[in-house]
This record gives sequence, C-alpha cells and structure tokens, in this order.
Amino acid sequence: NAGVTQTPKFQVLKTGQSMTLQCAQDMNHNSMYWYRQDPGMGLRLIYYSASEGTTDKGEVPNGYNVSRLNKREFSLRLESAAPSQTSVYFCASSEARRDPGWRQPQHFGDGTRLSIL
Amino acid sequence: GDSVTQMEGPVTLSEEAFLTINCTYTATGYPSLFWYVQYPGEGLQLLLKATKADDKGSNKGFEATYRKETTSFHLEKGSVQVSDSAVYFCALRTYNNNDMRFGAGTRLTVKP
Repeated sequence: NAGVTQTPKFQVLKTGQSMTLQCAQDMNHNSMYWYRQDPGMGLRLIYYSASEGTTDKGEVPNGYNVSRLNKREFSLRLESAAPSQTSVYFCASSEARRDPGWRQPQHFGDGTRLSIL
Repeated sequence: GDSVTQMEGPVTLSEEAFLTINCTYTATGYPSLFWYVQYPGEGLQLLLKATKADDKGSNKGFEATYRKETTSFHLEKGSVQVSDSAVYFCALRTYNNNDMRFGAGTRLTVKP
C-alpha cells in the first residue's frame, strides 16, 4: 500500500515564486492535514480538512492556501514564497474524529523539503 | 486547550542502555495517546498507541503505559540499539478535536 504520497520530494524556489505541494492518500480517510517542521519547533499545523469539502486554518496558516480536490487529494499552495517558508512539509491523513476515528493515528507522507532563496 | 509536554532533548545513550522519554498531557476530553518515531530524512511513523487508561502499547521493544492518574505516557525500552537513533514524538487525539496534538519531539542518539 502506498499510504500517503507527497510530491515533489525536494524543491528550490526563489522568493516570490509560487508552487503547489501535492498530497494523495489511498486509505479512504476523511481527514487530511498539512504540517511544517522546522528545527527545534516540532510539527506545526498549517491547515486541515476534516472531510471532503471543508478546510480549516491551523496554527500557522498565513502565506498558504489549500484545496481539498476530492476525498483522496489535498494540496497546499504558496502564492508568493518567502524565505521564512523554508521548511519540511508533511501531509497526513486519518479517520474523522467521530468514534472510533479519534482512537486512530494519523498517517504521514515522507515530506517535501522546500528551500526558498 | 489540549497539549503534550515531552522531556527536553537531545538524549544520548550507549548501546544496551535503558531508555525513558517522559511525556505528560493536558486534555479536556478523554484522549487516545500515541508515540511516533521519525528517522532521518523520513516522515513520522506510528510506533505504538493506547486508547484507554492502563492500556500498554508496545512495539519493537518499546513500551508505554497510559496513566490517567498522572496524565502520563512515558516511552521506555530496556536495551537501545544504534538503529533506535531517531526523533520521538508523543501525541494525543480526543473526540473534541479534528487534529492531533504533538509534543516538541525528543532526539535520541545511541552510540556503539
């Protein structure tokens, strides 16, 4: 099983450029998430989608937009990249929180390593 | 709000030493608790979980017991190996929240 697939794995951008990070899951999960991971900062939630057709802001949404394209896919867009957005980005998916979903873990992709010059 | 506090790292141990990584939580609801492991250059992988008080999660020689009275879920391993070198994250999820709350992570280095 592929689980959660993220593309690309690596990307270098110049300040002001835009790009979209792609994420797809094949576990039929309702909920999907985008995190960023910076050294010494742990994981910070950018946006999440509790179910198809809904999206909500997380802890650090500024500078990002998301699209829940369908149940499988959840993309993250940087409209005008800034050096502060240099990070490793992880997509995750899980069952929705209604019972027994809240007893289940999130499943993570391998990450996108993004550098903005 | 709900939160997880992990012991500060980094932690450096010799091979075959005993490992404890402390994790405590605050939750308004009744949480499920998880430990994840992240190897260099990879995503987070579920290591073990426990969904009710006194449950013990275990995997690959690691164990953690859900202690409701002390709101803790400490990770332990009796004899660590060099291959256990990674970052470990404690996390919780409740019925009240759509997302999962993570601790800051603890970096473990095991030396031969």
